Amino acid sequence: GENVEQHPSTLSVQEGDSAVIKCTYSDSASNYFPWYKQELGKRPQLIIDIRSNVGEKKDQRIAVTLNKTAKHFSLHITETQPEDSAVYFCAASMWSSASKIIFGSGTRLSIRP
Amino acid sequence: EAGVAQSPRYKIIEKRQSVAFWCNPISGHATLYWYQQILGQGPKLLIQFQNNGVVDDSQLPKDRFSAERLKGVDSTLKIQPAKLEDSAVYLCASSLSRGANYGYTFGSGTRLTVV
Repeated sequence: GENVEQHPSTLSVQEGDSAVIKCTYSDSASNYFPWYKQELGKRPQLIIDIRSNVGEKKDQRIAVTLNKTAKHFSLHITETQPEDSAVYFCAASMWSSASKIIFGSGTRLSIRP
Repeated sequence: EAGVAQSPRYKIIEKRQSVAFWCNPISGHATLYWYQQILGQGPKLLIQFQNNGVVDDSQLPKDRFSAERLKGVDSTLKIQPAKLEDSAVYLCASSLSRGANYGYTFGSGTRLTVV
């Protein structure tokens, strides 16, 4: 089955700097990669996703990149702000399928003022 | 639209006791998922329902965990008897149909502490 590995587990960046979180997946059949943000005590919320027919997707300060050959995908947050502090989860699944979403272990991002 | 509702929010029980969690998905969402999130880890799928049928329960510890969705709407997840390692947040999620492309919405979760 699919296995998703995520790193780093913790990340601390200065406010205004960029943050990068990286994930790898094992199942070459996976073709949908969502990213979730979970604030303390709250539910995971989808912030951005990418399908395997696209190499990069941007939404304001966040962007995701996907390298299908290497089975790598990454989340990039630019101009970080205090409200970006949270745990971020990458995940893998198959679009238009009964496949379940498999989550990475999470990255705790802290933004230093 | 109303979100995914879960109750209770918190539960503390002693080991070997039983506990039940309830989930009410978004109206019209055919697919319902129960995830277990242990502190410091990503959510792990326990069981997936399509209407009132089970699609995937391969990760459900069936000797102690059970779940049902009798009328294809609300669902309950039960643990009997509970173990210390069951301490986690139990998240319910729903989507219009199978697969992630139909909008996957999580509830706020039930935090279970087994002492």
